[in-house]
Amino acid sequence: EIVLTQSPATLSLSPGERATLSCRASQSVSSYLAWYQQKPGQAPRLLIYDASNRATGIPARFSGSGSGTDFTLTISSLEPEDFAVYYCQQRITFGQGTRLEIK
Amino acid sequence: QLQLQESGPGLVKPSETLSLTCTVSGGSISSSSYYWGWIRQPPGKGLEWIGSIYYSGSAYYNPSLKSRVTISVDTSKNQFSLKVSSVTAADTAVYYCARWQRLSGSSGYHHNTLDYWGQGTLVTVSS
Repeated sequence: EIVLTQSPATLSLSPGERATLSCRASQSVSSYLAWYQQKPGQAPRLLIYDASNRATGIPARFSGSGSGTDFTLTISSLEPEDFAVYYCQQRITFGQGTRLEIK
Repeated sequence: QLQLQESGPGLVKPSETLSLTCTVSGGSISSSSYYWGWIRQPPGKGLEWIGSIYYSGSAYYNPSLKSRVTISVDTSKNQFSLKVSSVTAADTAVYYCARWQRLSGSSGYHHNTLDYWGQGTLVTVSS
């Protein structure tokens, strides 16, 4: 069973700053990794699929990279609405999440 | 636009069976391209896969829940359902239904991206 480890658990940044979130897989998953954003009281929303492809309607400030075991979600310049919890996912496994909070 | 909607009781007594249904609209559940399934999220915690099903009826379950979970599909109603038996307070969570893309790989088919989610429904286990 693959384990996904996200870091950091919490990231405190200010609007306009760059956010870098990490997801590490316990074994290679090729490029089969997705990223989701979840805001309080809402279902997760797909941001990135197959490691680097933005889902429909996702702003260009969100980008994904990586392959094998190491993946990164980057938000180039944080907007107020980007402060949320972010999860990576591979098949039926989820990371534990990174909370992005306002500094 | 595809939509998924969970329905079912929001309160279940300990030791009883939790039952939820997900109704799919705007698309057919009888597609070879997708799995349909359930994910839950206890209050303040992360996401946990419960299980999923292919429209033919083939079901896949989280090993930690397998003895208590049944997922079924009704293609005539474009619905799939979840039953969790012998519930305890640890089963209190928001339950989401969702759609996975079904991808062919070297070892057969597997779940890939979760592209559609229901809004979620809170189920509380309490007497």
